[in-house]
Amino acid sequence: AQTVTQSQPEMSVQEAETVTLSCTYDTSESNYYLFWYKQPPSRQMILVIRQEAYKQQNATENRFSVNFQKAAKSFSLKISDSQLGDTAMYFCAFMKPFSGNTPLVFGKGTRLSVIA
Amino acid sequence: GAGVSQSPRYKVAKRGQDVALRCDPISGHVSLFWYQQALGQGPEFLTYFQNEAQLDKSGLPSDRFFAERPEGSVSTLKIQRTQQEDSAVYLCASSLEQFTDTQYFGPGTRLTVL
Repeated sequence: AQTVTQSQPEMSVQEAETVTLSCTYDTSESNYYLFWYKQPPSRQMILVIRQEAYKQQNATENRFSVNFQKAAKSFSLKISDSQLGDTAMYFCAFMKPFSGNTPLVFGKGTRLSVIA
Repeated sequence: GAGVSQSPRYKVAKRGQDVALRCDPISGHVSLFWYQQALGQGPEFLTYFQNEAQLDKSGLPSDRFFAERPEGSVSTLKIQRTQQEDSAVYLCASSLEQFTDTQYFGPGTRLTVL
């Protein structure tokens, strides 16, 4: 079974600074997808970024980028120019595609606070 | 277009009551997932539908939990004889395709069992 570990329960960052959230995972699969989701206090889970394991290039979405290290099974999220609206829980998630069932396996989350 | 919607947003039940939680997925989305999120934890998988077929219910914690999606669109998660340990946020997600697509989440239903 796949597991996802987020070792930082809480983090804080000054507005406009850069912060990196860590995620490691364990799987025997060679092809899979990785995701970062954001969950603000309003509770709506919002997709931040997605990475396909077969792609060597790290995914980027505006201020959000990942450092995907497949051999190390590491998938960190970098948030540049942090904004107050980035305050939320961030969840790393794993999905095994091309199977009969594709639920997401989530880590326990990192609570990020952006400080003015 | 409209996202995934869930109702009610909040539900308070007395222990032993039955509850029904509704999920309206994004129109046209084939796959629908239910997750349970305990306080301070990440979501955990409960069950999965492809159209009207429930293909996996391995995550349902007990036989008190039942889910259906009779017409392949709206889904209902029913919990019978609720217990305090059922208190959690129940999240619904849908995806356009079965095997590779990103899941989009609803706002969740917070269930509190007294």
